[in-house]
Amino acid sequence: DAGVIQSPRHEVTEMGQEVTLRCKPISGHDYLFWYRQTMMRGLELLIYFNNNVPIDDSGMPEDRFSAKMPNASFSTLKIQPSEPRDSAVYFCASSLGGLVANTGELFFGEGSRLTVL
Amino acid sequence: GNSVTQMEGPVTLSEEAFLTINCTYTATGYPSLFWYVQYPGEGLQLLLKATKADDKGSNKGFEATYRKETTSFHLEKGSVQVSDSAVYFCALSDQTGGFKTIFGAGTRLFVKA
Repeated sequence: DAGVIQSPRHEVTEMGQEVTLRCKPISGHDYLFWYRQTMMRGLELLIYFNNNVPIDDSGMPEDRFSAKMPNASFSTLKIQPSEPRDSAVYFCASSLGGLVANTGELFFGEGSRLTVL
Repeated sequence: GNSVTQMEGPVTLSEEAFLTINCTYTATGYPSLFWYVQYPGEGLQLLLKATKADDKGSNKGFEATYRKETTSFHLEKGSVQVSDSAVYFCALSDQTGGFKTIFGAGTRLFVKA
């Protein structure tokens, strides 16, 4: 299996521009998570999906952030408009659900490093 | 709510030294506990896990025991190598929390040759 695939790996943009980050989870995994990592705040859970449905978006910082999962193999995290304080590494992770199979183990992508100038 | 607290770093050790990274947790249910490792420029990857009290997780010489009475999951390794230099994250996942994983702040480990 190819693992969780994220794109782009690096993005440099100017303040005010729209940013779209993409994620392909591991086939068969029914949970998908978006995390943000910064030096100051560590790893923050932004939103997670179960069977393509958003379950908890309480970590999304503000209305400039939105996430979608149109199907089981694709998710996007969008920032519009972007600001310098959004600079961070954004990770996507997936896991296998179900009360029997799930032990909560997450499989992470390599991350998308975003720099907003 | 659920939370994870781990010792602050950085931790600097010489090769072959003994490693302990402390981790305690707060959870309303019966969580699974994890240690993840992050090497420079990479995503997190699972190091070891324990799903119930008194379980011991182990991998690559690292060990951690799920202690319900002290709500702890300390990471240990008897003899560290330079290649163990990384950031280590303690984490928990709880069904009552909707399976979302909560991470500690991370502890950076430097191992000197």
